[in-house]
Amino acid sequence: DAKTTQPPSMDCAEGRAANLPCNHSTISGNEYVYWYRQIHSQGPQYIIHGLKNNETNEMASLIITEDRKSSTLILPHATLRDTAVYYCIVRGTASKLTFGTGTRLQVTL
Amino acid sequence: DGGITQSPKYLFRKEGQNVTLSCEQNLNHDAMYWYRQDPGQGLRLIYYSQIVNDFQKGDIAEGYSVSREKKESFPLTVTSAQKNPTAFYLCASTRPGTGFYGYTFGSGTRLTVV
Repeated sequence: DAKTTQPPSMDCAEGRAANLPCNHSTISGNEYVYWYRQIHSQGPQYIIHGLKNNETNEMASLIITEDRKSSTLILPHATLRDTAVYYCIVRGTASKLTFGTGTRLQVTL
Repeated sequence: DGGITQSPKYLFRKEGQNVTLSCEQNLNHDAMYWYRQDPGQGLRLIYYSQIVNDFQKGDIAEGYSVSREKKESFPLTVTSAQKNPTAFYLCASTRPGTGFYGYTFGSGTRLTVV
Protein backbone atom coordinates (compact mmCIF):
# COMPACT_ATOMS: atom_id res chain seq x y z
CA ASP A 1 0.00 0.00 0.00
CA ALA A 2 1.29 3.42 -0.88
CA LYS A 3 2.26 5.55 2.10
CA THR A 4 1.69 9.25 2.37
CA THR A 5 3.79 11.98 3.95
CA GLN A 6 2.36 15.30 5.12
CA PRO A 7 3.74 18.21 7.15
CA PRO A 8 2.58 17.96 10.77
CA SER A 9 1.13 21.44 10.96
CA MET A 10 0.37 24.57 8.97
CA ASP A 11 -1.09 27.98 9.66
CA CYS A 12 -3.27 30.04 7.37
CA ALA A 13 -4.85 33.47 7.73
CA GLU A 14 -8.61 33.59 7.39
CA GLY A 15 -9.68 34.46 3.85
CA ARG A 16 -6.42 33.30 2.32
CA ALA A 17 -5.89 30.09 0.38
CA ALA A 18 -4.63 27.11 2.34
CA ASN A 19 -2.36 24.81 0.36
CA LEU A 20 -1.79 21.43 1.98
CA PRO A 21 0.86 19.20 0.37
CA CYS A 22 1.05 15.42 0.36
CA ASN A 23 3.75 13.11 -0.90
CA HIS A 24 2.75 9.66 -2.18
CA SER A 25 5.75 8.62 -4.22
CA THR A 26 4.92 4.89 -4.19
CA ILE A 27 1.38 5.26 -5.52
CA SER A 28 0.41 2.75 -8.18
CA GLY A 29 -1.38 3.51 -11.41
CA ASN A 30 -4.90 2.63 -10.34
CA GLU A 31 -4.85 4.04 -6.84
CA TYR A 32 -6.88 7.10 -6.01
CA VAL A 33 -5.83 9.92 -3.71
CA TYR A 34 -8.43 10.94 -1.17
CA TRP A 35 -8.53 13.85 1.23
CA TYR A 36 -10.46 13.80 4.47
CA ARG A 37 -10.52 16.13 7.41
CA GLN A 38 -11.28 15.56 11.05
CA ILE A 39 -12.56 18.17 13.38
CA HIS A 40 -11.86 17.45 17.00
CA SER A 41 -13.41 14.19 18.24
CA GLN A 42 -15.62 13.69 15.21
CA GLY A 43 -15.54 11.12 12.42
CA PRO A 44 -13.46 12.10 9.37
CA GLN A 45 -15.29 14.02 6.66
CA TYR A 46 -14.71 13.41 2.96
CA ILE A 47 -13.37 16.41 1.03
CA ILE A 48 -12.27 15.37 -2.43
CA HIS A 49 -10.57 12.60 -4.41
CA GLY A 50 -8.66 12.23 -7.67
CA LEU A 51 -6.75 9.83 -9.90
CA LYS A 52 -4.79 11.80 -12.49
CA ASN A 53 -6.55 15.02 -13.30
CA ASN A 54 -7.03 18.05 -11.13
CA GLU A 55 -10.37 18.12 -9.41
CA THR A 56 -12.56 20.82 -7.90
CA ASN A 57 -15.74 20.72 -5.88
CA GLU A 58 -17.59 23.10 -3.60
CA MET A 59 -15.17 22.52 -0.76
CA ALA A 60 -11.73 22.39 -2.32
CA SER A 61 -9.45 21.80 -5.28
CA LEU A 62 -7.02 18.93 -5.70
CA ILE A 63 -3.89 19.33 -7.78
CA ILE A 64 -2.07 16.10 -8.67
CA THR A 65 1.38 16.24 -10.24
CA GLU A 66 1.84 14.64 -13.63
CA ASP A 67 3.95 11.82 -12.19
CA ARG A 68 1.28 11.36 -9.46
CA LYS A 69 3.92 11.28 -6.73
CA SER A 70 2.47 14.24 -4.89
CA SER A 71 -0.67 16.30 -4.59
CA THR A 72 -1.89 19.53 -3.03
CA LEU A 73 -5.24 20.23 -1.46
CA ILE A 74 -6.33 23.83 -1.84
CA LEU A 75 -8.95 25.48 0.32
CA PRO A 76 -9.45 28.69 -1.67
CA HIS A 77 -10.74 30.95 1.11
CA ALA A 78 -10.01 29.40 4.47
CA THR A 79 -12.32 30.16 7.39
CA LEU A 80 -11.99 29.46 11.10
CA ARG A 81 -14.28 26.47 10.61
CA ASP A 82 -11.66 24.88 8.37
CA THR A 83 -9.37 24.40 11.37
CA ALA A 84 -8.94 20.62 11.49
CA VAL A 85 -6.56 17.76 10.85
CA TYR A 86 -6.36 16.98 7.14
CA TYR A 87 -5.53 13.48 5.98
CA CYS A 88 -4.21 12.52 2.58
CA ILE A 89 -5.00 8.87 1.88
CA VAL A 90 -4.17 6.48 -0.91
CA ARG A 91 -6.56 3.63 -1.33
CA GLY A 92 -4.53 0.47 -1.14
CA THR A 93 -5.07 -3.24 -1.57
CA ALA A 94 -8.14 -4.89 -0.15
CA SER A 95 -9.75 -1.47 0.11
CA LYS A 96 -7.76 -0.67 3.22
CA LEU A 97 -7.55 2.93 4.29
CA THR A 98 -4.03 3.81 5.34
CA PHE A 99 -3.97 7.08 7.23
CA GLY A 100 -0.82 9.12 7.45
CA THR A 101 -0.09 11.48 10.29
CA GLY A 102 -2.16 14.23 8.80
CA THR A 103 -1.62 17.98 8.78
CA ARG A 104 -3.08 20.08 11.56
CA LEU A 105 -4.31 23.24 9.87
CA GLN A 106 -4.83 26.24 12.11
CA VAL A 107 -6.76 29.10 10.54
CA THR A 108 -6.24 32.38 12.36
CA LEU A 109 -7.83 35.82 12.26
CA ASP B 1 -30.85 8.61 5.15
CA GLY B 2 -28.11 6.02 4.88
CA GLY B 3 -25.20 6.08 7.24
CA ILE B 4 -23.18 4.41 9.96
CA THR B 5 -24.34 4.29 13.54
CA GLN B 6 -21.89 3.70 16.34
CA SER B 7 -23.03 3.09 19.86
CA PRO B 8 -22.61 3.99 22.57
CA LYS B 9 -21.05 7.42 22.14
CA TYR B 10 -19.30 7.13 25.50
CA LEU B 11 -18.35 3.91 27.25
CA PHE B 12 -16.69 3.27 30.58
CA ARG B 13 -15.06 0.00 31.39
CA LYS B 14 -13.53 -1.43 34.49
CA GLU B 15 -10.15 -3.03 34.17
CA GLY B 16 -10.41 -6.72 33.32
CA GLN B 17 -13.77 -6.42 31.59
CA ASN B 18 -14.57 -7.10 27.98
CA VAL B 19 -16.72 -4.54 26.19
CA THR B 20 -18.34 -4.56 22.76
CA LEU B 21 -18.68 -1.51 20.54
CA SER B 22 -21.48 -1.53 18.02
CA CYS B 23 -21.24 -0.47 14.38
CA GLU B 24 -24.25 -0.70 12.05
CA GLN B 25 -24.56 0.56 8.47
CA ASN B 26 -27.49 0.72 6.08
CA LEU B 27 -25.47 1.70 3.02
CA ASN B 28 -25.25 -1.81 1.60
CA HIS B 29 -21.47 -1.55 1.82
CA ASP B 30 -19.48 -4.75 1.72
CA ALA B 31 -16.32 -3.53 3.45
CA MET B 32 -16.16 -2.34 7.03
CA TYR B 33 -13.30 -1.13 9.22
CA TRP B 34 -12.41 -0.36 12.81
CA TYR B 35 -9.88 2.31 13.70
CA ARG B 36 -8.42 3.49 16.96
CA GLN B 37 -7.37 7.06 17.63
CA ASP B 38 -5.35 8.22 20.60
CA PRO B 39 -5.18 11.89 21.64
CA GLY B 40 -3.26 13.95 19.12
CA GLN B 41 -2.61 10.92 16.93
CA GLY B 42 -3.81 9.67 13.57
CA LEU B 43 -6.09 6.70 12.95
CA ARG B 44 -4.71 3.19 13.25
CA LEU B 45 -6.43 0.19 11.69
CA ILE B 46 -7.56 -2.54 14.09
CA TYR B 47 -9.58 -4.94 11.92
CA TYR B 48 -11.34 -4.87 8.59
CA SER B 49 -13.81 -7.04 6.75
CA GLN B 50 -14.51 -7.17 3.03
CA ILE B 51 -17.37 -9.67 3.08
CA VAL B 52 -19.62 -11.41 5.55
CA ASN B 53 -17.95 -14.09 7.68
CA ASP B 54 -14.48 -12.88 6.75
CA PHE B 55 -12.17 -10.37 8.40
CA GLN B 56 -8.47 -9.54 8.61
CA LYS B 57 -6.21 -8.09 11.23
CA GLY B 58 -5.04 -4.56 10.81
CA ASP B 59 -1.96 -2.98 12.29
CA ILE B 60 -2.95 -3.16 15.97
CA ALA B 61 -5.30 -6.15 16.35
CA GLU B 62 -3.87 -7.52 19.60
CA GLY B 63 -6.41 -7.41 22.40
CA TYR B 64 -9.36 -6.94 20.04
CA SER B 65 -11.81 -9.27 18.33
CA VAL B 66 -14.51 -8.80 15.71
CA SER B 67 -17.28 -10.70 13.99
CA ARG B 68 -19.10 -10.18 10.70
CA GLU B 69 -22.20 -12.32 10.75
CA LYS B 70 -24.31 -9.78 8.87
CA LYS B 71 -23.44 -7.36 6.13
CA GLU B 72 -24.83 -4.47 8.15
CA SER B 73 -22.99 -5.12 11.39
CA PHE B 74 -19.34 -5.23 12.45
CA PRO B 75 -19.04 -5.21 16.26
CA LEU B 76 -15.68 -4.75 17.95
CA THR B 77 -14.90 -6.38 21.29
CA VAL B 78 -12.17 -4.85 23.39
CA THR B 79 -10.90 -7.68 25.55
CA SER B 80 -9.13 -7.61 28.88
CA ALA B 81 -5.95 -8.48 26.98
CA GLN B 82 -5.86 -4.97 25.53
CA LYS B 83 -3.44 -3.22 27.88
CA ASN B 84 -4.38 0.35 27.10
CA PRO B 85 -7.91 0.47 25.71
CA THR B 86 -8.73 4.08 26.52
CA ALA B 87 -9.13 5.70 23.10
CA PHE B 88 -11.55 7.01 20.48
CA TYR B 89 -12.85 4.24 18.20
CA LEU B 90 -14.12 4.87 14.69
CA CYS B 91 -15.99 2.56 12.34
CA ALA B 92 -16.06 3.06 8.57
CA SER B 93 -17.50 1.35 5.52
CA THR B 94 -17.12 1.36 1.76
CA ARG B 95 -17.55 -0.78 -1.30
CA PRO B 96 -14.41 -2.85 -1.90
CA GLY B 97 -12.10 -2.65 -4.88
CA THR B 98 -10.10 0.08 -6.50
CA GLY B 99 -11.59 3.10 -8.11
CA PHE B 100 -13.63 5.68 -6.36
CA TYR B 101 -16.02 4.46 -3.74
CA GLY B 102 -16.65 6.87 -0.95
CA TYR B 103 -15.87 6.02 2.63
CA THR B 104 -18.39 6.72 5.33
CA PHE B 105 -17.36 7.11 8.95
CA GLY B 106 -19.40 6.80 12.09
CA SER B 107 -19.34 9.46 14.79
CA GLY B 108 -17.15 7.35 17.06
CA THR B 109 -17.19 5.77 20.51
CA ARG B 110 -15.00 7.14 23.29
CA LEU B 111 -13.91 4.32 25.58
CA THR B 112 -12.48 5.07 29.00
CA VAL B 113 -11.09 2.52 31.44
CA VAL B 114 -11.89 3.42 35.04
